[in-house]
Amino acid sequence: AQSVTQLDSQVPVFEEAPVELRCNYSSSVSVYLFWYVQYPNQGLQLLLKYLSGSTLVKGINGFEAEFNKSQTSFHLRKPSVHISDTAEYFCAVSANDAYNQGGKLIFGQGTELSVKP
Amino acid sequence: GAVVSQHPSWVICKSGTSVKIECRSLDFQATTMFWYRQFPKQSLMLMATSNEGSKATYEQGVEKDKFLINHASLTLSTLTVTSAHPEDSSFYICTPRSFSYEQYFGPGTRLTVT
Repeated sequence: AQSVTQLDSQVPVFEEAPVELRCNYSSSVSVYLFWYVQYPNQGLQLLLKYLSGSTLVKGINGFEAEFNKSQTSFHLRKPSVHISDTAEYFCAVSANDAYNQGGKLIFGQGTELSVKP
Repeated sequence: GAVVSQHPSWVICKSGTSVKIECRSLDFQATTMFWYRQFPKQSLMLMATSNEGSKATYEQGVEKDKFLINHASLTLSTLTVTSAHPEDSSFYICTPRSFSYEQYFGPGTRLTVT
């Protein structure tokens, strides 16, 4: 089974400052990793995903994440945030095995990013 | 990107009634459909997985007789909440998966049971 832990439930940050949202996972099989963003009263939007290859993944809106297998982490970063980045961010994993084939997603608890002027 | 629609986007119903939520993949065929629910200020929890033409597989703790899932075609799946109660009030999100294993999230349906 897989599990995901987002280490910070809330992250307040000032506009134009850098931000890192932390995500750790556990799994007995190899996984795919995802970051999603959810704006108030909206559905989820994919920010980026790691399937294989380069461990540094770039996504939309200037976000990037780095897969660290030894530390079982997939932290999300942005060098300079905007007010419009205020939202809930979810880290998710999906087992990469013959049964799941990257289907069922297990989500972390979410991190509320609040960007202040 | 792929387009997924859910209808209705918001529904209010009285306790004891049933509500049907539709999920459509508008520009691709979905071999698999995942249904999630999200309580306020909480994460998404998978409720069930369905493959077109087959019975849904429910996650532990999810009542299959209460949450009826139908995946009759490659572009349409429905979730029916039967005999709804206030504790069923939640945000329900469908996620169709295509033949190429890409997943796309629907915009969600907010259910409020009074």
